[in-house]
Amino acid sequence: DTEVTQTPKHLVMGMTNKKSLKCEQHMGHRAMYWYKQKAKKPPELMFVYSYEKLSINESVPSRFSPECPNSSLLNLHLHALQPEDSALYLCASSQDRSSGSSRAGDEQFFGPGTRLTVL
Amino acid sequence: GNSVTQMEGPVTLSEEAFLTINCTYTATGYPSLFWYVQYPGEGLQLLLKATKADDKGSNKGFEATYRKETTSFHLEKGSVQVSDSAVYFCALLSKGGNAGKSTFGDGTTLTVKP
Repeated sequence: DTEVTQTPKHLVMGMTNKKSLKCEQHMGHRAMYWYKQKAKKPPELMFVYSYEKLSINESVPSRFSPECPNSSLLNLHLHALQPEDSALYLCASSQDRSSGSSRAGDEQFFGPGTRLTVL
Repeated sequence: GNSVTQMEGPVTLSEEAFLTINCTYTATGYPSLFWYVQYPGEGLQLLLKATKADDKGSNKGFEATYRKETTSFHLEKGSVQVSDSAVYFCALLSKGGNAGKSTFGDGTTLTVKP
């Protein structure tokens, strides 16, 4: 299985709603990522989990809350979002490279994304 | 810090034309280099990669060579098809640490007309 799956595919929510995005991979990867992508722009990194621990938070507002329940699952909890948060949210995974590795990092495998609209 | 500069688009070609999308990078050390493709309404798919200088990545007729002396990783295809219409992103990934942070170029939109 070389696939990253994301649910839901589309999500429309109001500014007072609470919702969650889900991501799953069964490739044995130990690093998982959340990206935000606006139209016609490259993905912007939000969070990185390495071995189920949050290793990078790119100064993301607290209305986005990531969670990694186990090595195969990654969630993004959403609360009190703003219309400008509307975007494609992409999950990715990769084999983790521990410190001291002499090889360059592995490629990231991306999911199809969740198209989020905040009204 | 790391950066990736891609050829500005959009690029419009006729079917069977030759494609080049330029990509240059700035990075410390020896990063891995990637080309990703994004079809409308979809996520990013890895197209090809190269992990060290002079490596050539290739897939589906696309090629790119890791040129350390010119810090470039230009994407080429000899004969494009309508189905190649998509957005192409050049990216680099630095080594070291527990999970690399990718740096993406701004993307180049390719439209191939029949």
